[in-house]
Amino acid sequence: DVKVTQSSRYLVKRTGEKVFLECVQDMDHENMFWYRQDPGLGLRLIYFSYDVKMKEKGDIPEGYSVSREKKERFSLILESASTNQTSMYLCASSATGIYGYTFGSGTRLTVV
Amino acid sequence: AQSVTQPDIHITVSEGASLELRCNYSYGATPYLFWYVQSPGQGLQLLLKYFSGDTLVQGIKGFEAEFKRSQSSFNLRKPSVHWSDAAEYFCAVASTSGTYKYIFGTGTRLKVLA
Repeated sequence: DVKVTQSSRYLVKRTGEKVFLECVQDMDHENMFWYRQDPGLGLRLIYFSYDVKMKEKGDIPEGYSVSREKKERFSLILESASTNQTSMYLCASSATGIYGYTFGSGTRLTVV
Repeated sequence: AQSVTQPDIHITVSEGASLELRCNYSYGATPYLFWYVQSPGQGLQLLLKYFSGDTLVQGIKGFEAEFKRSQSSFNLRKPSVHWSDAAEYFCAVASTSGTYKYIFGTGTRLKVLA
């Protein structure tokens, strides 16, 4: 069964900490995405990557960065966590072409 | 700019009743359209997708959706709802520009009464 695995289901971090959210896919997909999900706002794209070491900003990249050193792994980095980054973070991957995304189970991040 | 509107934030239906969830999109060309379902605490699962051809598409779990170009709609339907269908449903449209980014609606939360 193909999978997108997010390393943590729940995280609690302090304001100002550097936070790493990890995502790994085993489907050899070229494209990977990070979304945040907030009530009433749906899913908003933070960053995406269409190849190793390639990245593009999504709709809300401020306060975030990403890293993709290997095809299967896409990391989201919060350089200095703030309380307004408390959210559900969803990773997804897709093959090139329109096949639909495969999502991970999400990481619920709380910044205190 | 592309956009997706799901006008119903919450819908409540009785078990066994029929269901229709609305989705309207704004896009200049023929869109790629999707419906996803999210159970509590989980990621999103693809229910069905429309690329071209037959405007009525069948998906998993007994769901179907109909693409209506004249109404810019892609509504999700199920003839008889089960209690396990209680979840949040998201409509999405995909860019055809090559980067395959998706635009998601804000979701419709379905409650099923026993």
